[in-house]
Amino acid sequence: GDSVTQMEGPVTLSEEAFLTINCTYTATGYPSLFWYVQYPGEGLQLLLKATKADDKGSNKGFEATYRKETTSFHLEKGSVQVSDSAVYFCALTDSSYKLIFGSGTRLLVRP
Amino acid sequence: EAGVVQSPRYKIIEKKQPVAFWCNPISGHNTLYWYLQNLGQGPELLIRYENEEAVDDSQLPKDRFSAERLKGVDSTLKIQPAELGDSAVYLCASSFRQNTGELFFGEGSRLTVL
Repeated sequence: GDSVTQMEGPVTLSEEAFLTINCTYTATGYPSLFWYVQYPGEGLQLLLKATKADDKGSNKGFEATYRKETTSFHLEKGSVQVSDSAVYFCALTDSSYKLIFGSGTRLLVRP
Repeated sequence: EAGVVQSPRYKIIEKKQPVAFWCNPISGHNTLYWYLQNLGQGPELLIRYENEEAVDDSQLPKDRFSAERLKGVDSTLKIQPAELGDSAVYLCASSFRQNTGELFFGEGSRLTVL
């Protein structure tokens, strides 16, 4: 079945560093791709999405580009802040529109 | 706008006891989801409702888990009897439509089975 693979964490960065969290997927069709974020003590919330190849999703300084040729949707941010510390989940919708999540990557940003 | 509300936030029970979780979705959201999140893992779908109808319950362990969504609004997820392996966070989410992947999650109900 369809699946999502994320880089294992935790990822520890200093404030203002560049962030990349890798995400690759396996899908039989043409899924939509998502990044969700879970801040400490809060529920998951949608960070950004892309619905077709070469689309770029962006929000709050984060970006991810839907790369069909490499089946990837890597999350990037040019300058992280302490407030970005959270768990980030890559996800896709399968052919029945079910949302399938990766295992999550914890990001810790130090001042 | 109020978000998805879940209760209780935390529940500790002994194995073989029953437990129930309640969810109130965002007003106007027709689709409601229950997810299971084990420690260090991503959420996994248990059941999806479209209004009152369970349209995908293929991952719900029906021998001990049950769910209902009366009147197409609030929902309850029940486990009876609970087992040690059921210790996890149970997440409720809702969406305006079922095919966008844009879900709004509650804060979750953390279950510990002793």
